[in-house]
Amino acid sequence: ILNVEQSPQSLHVQEGDSTNFTCSFPSSNFYALHWYRWETAKSPEALFVMTLNGDEKKKGRISATLNTKEGYSYLYIKGSQPEDSATYLCASRPGGSARQLTFGSGTQLTVLP
Amino acid sequence: DVKVTQSSRYLVKRTGEKVFLECVQDMDHENMFWYRQDPGLGLRLIYFSYDVKMKEKGDIPEGYSVSREKKERFSLILESASTNQTSMYLCASSAPTGGVETQYFGPGTRLLVL
Repeated sequence: ILNVEQSPQSLHVQEGDSTNFTCSFPSSNFYALHWYRWETAKSPEALFVMTLNGDEKKKGRISATLNTKEGYSYLYIKGSQPEDSATYLCASRPGGSARQLTFGSGTQLTVLP
Repeated sequence: DVKVTQSSRYLVKRTGEKVFLECVQDMDHENMFWYRQDPGLGLRLIYFSYDVKMKEKGDIPEGYSVSREKKERFSLILESASTNQTSMYLCASSAPTGGVETQYFGPGTRLLVL
């Protein structure tokens, strides 16, 4: 079983603050890294999928970077808003024929108005 | 938009009962997955399926079985529910798109076993 770790476990920020959190994953046999946002009472929603070292993805105020050599990804939120409050999950997929993802335990973000 | 639906949002069952959790997707995806999510732990894979009548064990299959008789439907079965199966259960589906498969999730079923 791959070990995917996320930090911090939870985070409270004020509206307008920028924030970031980390996902670390085994760098050997890496294929793809996924980020999901999971709002309370909703389905987890895909944010980004990244495969190449140095990849950067952006969606509005949210962006992510990937370092496959050292096995980490950062998710950044610029100017946090209350609607950004959610649990952010990352998941790693190894190379080969396996299609399963291994998820981290998530970072729970609360943005205070 | 991909839609993944799960038969119940909340379920309360008694120890020893047989429990069926149903998942349906409307995008003709080959792959379907069942996870459980517990506080402090990530989504843990119970079973998955790459095709009709196919099933593979995930990381925590003990106490569960699955059925995939039709492509769009993947059922999770708890043969004899136990209190340690109280959890949030999530279903997902995916299909290869450019070699990378994004999983699409249902809203989850919160199961309480008394």
